[in-house]
Amino acid sequence: DQQVKQNSPSLSVQEGRISILNCDYTNSMFDYFLWYKKYPAEGPTFLISISSIKDKNEDGRFTVFLNKSAKHLSLHIVPSQPGDSAVYFCAANNQYYNQGGKLIFGQGTELSVKP
Amino acid sequence: DAGVIQSPRHEVTEMGQEVTLRCKPISGHNSLFWYRQTMMRGLELLIYFNNNVPIDDSGMPEDRFSAKMPNASFSTLKIQPSEPRDSAVYFCASSLASPLHFGNGTRLTVT
Repeated sequence: DQQVKQNSPSLSVQEGRISILNCDYTNSMFDYFLWYKKYPAEGPTFLISISSIKDKNEDGRFTVFLNKSAKHLSLHIVPSQPGDSAVYFCAANNQYYNQGGKLIFGQGTELSVKP
Repeated sequence: DAGVIQSPRHEVTEMGQEVTLRCKPISGHNSLFWYRQTMMRGLELLIYFNNNVPIDDSGMPEDRFSAKMPNASFSTLKIQPSEPRDSAVYFCASSLASPLHFGNGTRLTVT
């Protein structure tokens, strides 16, 4: 049972344009959501997060939007740069029940930003 | 800080052999996680420890898999006997009430 789903395995975008990566979840108990970025032969690194009390969080070129009613979140990268080419993982957990930070991850979306 | 350190980086073994993956978490972190990455399922949580105690091992696929954390600075994930379907990248991560910090993984190939 995949509680966090990223239905697009890959996305290709032109440099300077917006990249939009999508993520859906099924567990209504999730209250904290994160995006991780992964380069080949490296471990995932934390990118940005959002709590369920918010619907938007911005950090430089990266913005995460949360739509709780639709159980959907998205990551916007504006403008996209070739160095953003990586696999992006969406993750979620319930902060109250998972004080240790147990995260449930999606399958990942491979972003390719072309010069 | 050296980050989370995993060894070996690559492991190739034959079906039926025992495999042991190792992890050194970031000093001071009190939670440790073992994840497995596959194309089909992405990053799956296998087991996690809090203060060296296993909290949730519901993701461990079979009895062939076992994990230990004898102290705060070391953990192992063992597969015995290994099978070709165990081939994947195995990640260790640690945290202290913060986003997880991942190691660079061990790529396991079972032939």
